[in-house]
Order: sequence, then structure tokens, then C-alpha cells
Amino acid sequence: AQSVTQLGSHVSVSEGALVLLRCNYSSSVPPYLFWYVQYPNQGLQLLLKYTTGATLVKGINGFEAEFKKSETSFHLTKPSAHMSDAAEYFCAVISSGGSYIPTFGRGTSLIVHP
Amino acid sequence: DAGVIQSPRHEVTEMGQEVTLRCKPISGHDYLFWYRQTMMRGLELLIYFNNNVPIDDSGMPEDRFSAKMPNASFSTLKIQPSEPRDSAVYFCASRPPGGAVGSPLHFGNGTRLTVT
Repeated sequence: AQSVTQLGSHVSVSEGALVLLRCNYSSSVPPYLFWYVQYPNQGLQLLLKYTTGATLVKGINGFEAEFKKSETSFHLTKPSAHMSDAAEYFCAVISSGGSYIPTFGRGTSLIVHP
Repeated sequence: DAGVIQSPRHEVTEMGQEVTLRCKPISGHDYLFWYRQTMMRGLELLIYFNNNVPIDDSGMPEDRFSAKMPNASFSTLKIQPSEPRDSAVYFCASRPPGGAVGSPLHFGNGTRLTVT
């Protein structure tokens, strides 16, 4: 079985501040991990993903995430928030060797203050 | 690549009416997913298809919900009869072959359904 926990339904930061969105997963086998972003009135779009190899993954718009197996985490970070980063962010996990159907977290709403 | 296309973008209907949501996946994608998004329950997987065949419909809430995929380029989600608690945003997503290596889902912009 696989599951995802996103800590904090809302995260508020000031423009220019560090963004940290937390994601912890549960998987009995090596996982594939994803972050998606959803802007208002749009569908989810891929921000970045980890499958194998380098544990630090870089995505679009300056975001990156690090896979930490020992902590079962895949936290999303960005050094400096921009107003345009305000959106809903979803973490998702696929357990390799299974049905390859992703399980999504509940989402974290990022609020950016000027 | 036109992306996943959903129609209509907005649907307002009265309780008891039939509602049909439509989806055109990206050409060449062999998986198609239907999701429902609400504030209370987040993103819920309703059903998914592989090569036009329904694989898992355990997320379909009731017999009032049905989904079909008559061909590789079209799918429908039907609610009959509709109820106010069905109000939500419904997303269709498709995925290219290669799920074994973690291919991401491509989402449409959703249909916002309001049942009064």
C-alpha cells in the first residue's frame, strides 16, 4: 500500500522568502515521487519528479525537491518565493512494481504576501 | 500537443437531471483517469481505463455514476440522477505508455459541476 501525507493545508510566506512544502510518503517498495502544481481554475501540471538516480531533482520555475529514503520524505523547496507561485501543490507517489497508479496527497495551498 | 480537453468547463443543473462530462485524452496516451476534487475530500480517483478498458472503478461513489471509453480518443462520465452533493470539479487525465518508469499524468482544465 502507498500513501502520502502533506503537512499543512496552507503555507504562507512573504515574497522573496524561502518556500518549503512538506511531503512524506509510505511505500513498501522503491517509490516514484511527483510534485504537481494547480493554478486557479486549471488542472494539475507536473512540477518535477523523482524516479531513480540523483536524489535532488530540479523542476520548473526554480523549484526543487530532495528524495530522502531514510526520512521517507520528498519536500519541495524554492529559495525565493514569487507572487506567481501562489497555487495549490500536490505531492504524489507511485509504488514501483504495483499498478503504477498514483496516490495524491491532500494538497498544500501556498500563499505569497507582497 | 493540444493537451487533455474537457467539456463543458462549467455545468449548472438541477437535482435529478442527467449530466454528461466529456474528455478527449492526448493522442497516443493509453491510460485515462477520472478524478473528482472537493474541498472536503480533496482529489479522489473515480475510475481509470487502460487501452479503453475500465480497470478499476472502485472509486465511483454510487451506481448513479458511470463512465465509458468507446475509443482511444473519447471518454464520458455520466451522473444520473444528479444530486447537490455531486457538486465538484471533475478532472480527466491521461498518461502516456511507460507507467512502469513513472510517466506523469496530464490533466485537463476540469469541469466545474454545480447541482442545485
